[in-house]
Amino acid sequence: SQKIEQNSEALNIQEGKTATLTCNYTNYSPAYLQWYRQDPGRGPVFLLLIRENEKEKRKERLKVTFDTTLKQSLFHITASQPADSATYLCALAPNSGGSNYKLTFGKGTLLTVNP
Amino acid sequence: DTGVSQDPRHKITKRGQNVTFRCDPISEHNRLYWYRQTLGQGPEFLTYFQNEAQLEKSRLLSDRFSAERPKGSFSTLEIQRTEQGDSAMYLCASSSRTGYVAFFGQGTRLTVV
Repeated sequence: SQKIEQNSEALNIQEGKTATLTCNYTNYSPAYLQWYRQDPGRGPVFLLLIRENEKEKRKERLKVTFDTTLKQSLFHITASQPADSATYLCALAPNSGGSNYKLTFGKGTLLTVNP
Repeated sequence: DTGVSQDPRHKITKRGQNVTFRCDPISEHNRLYWYRQTLGQGPEFLTYFQNEAQLEKSRLLSDRFSAERPKGSFSTLEIQRTEQGDSAMYLCASSSRTGYVAFFGQGTRLTVV
């Protein structure tokens, strides 16, 4: 069955360091992969999208890599700040027929950046 | 229009009662989705509308659940005869016809007691 795993439930880092979050998937052929941020009691907020034929995407302090051979995406936040503390969700959209609107999410990783 | 709007934000209901949630998507978006999220889990897909047509329903959506989008604008999600297992955050999202990014609302937190 299709499976999406985010490397850990929680990650604690020191302010100023780079946070690296991992998303692995099995039995899945994604058209693209997205990362979302979710704060407690709120809906997910889109951060970055990367397509299956792209290796890397950047946006300000954020960087996403996508390796379809390893079936893995890495999400980096450089120069992390306490305001970056949140749950980060990885989401995949299938590369099959007309269903590429349907996102399958991982459980998320709770990132805490300590001052 | 500043984003996807959901109402109510919180709902507490007794087991066996019916509840209805409303979602107002971003006005120019013709795609609308409902997801459900339980504690410690990521959102799970429930259903998808393109304009007023409901094009896909997850098997998670039992026959107690029904969703509508009558004029291709706002949508409602109704749960009949609620059960304690229905307690969750119900998230609505929308996207444009050619866009892949889903814009989520703040969700409706349902608690069935």
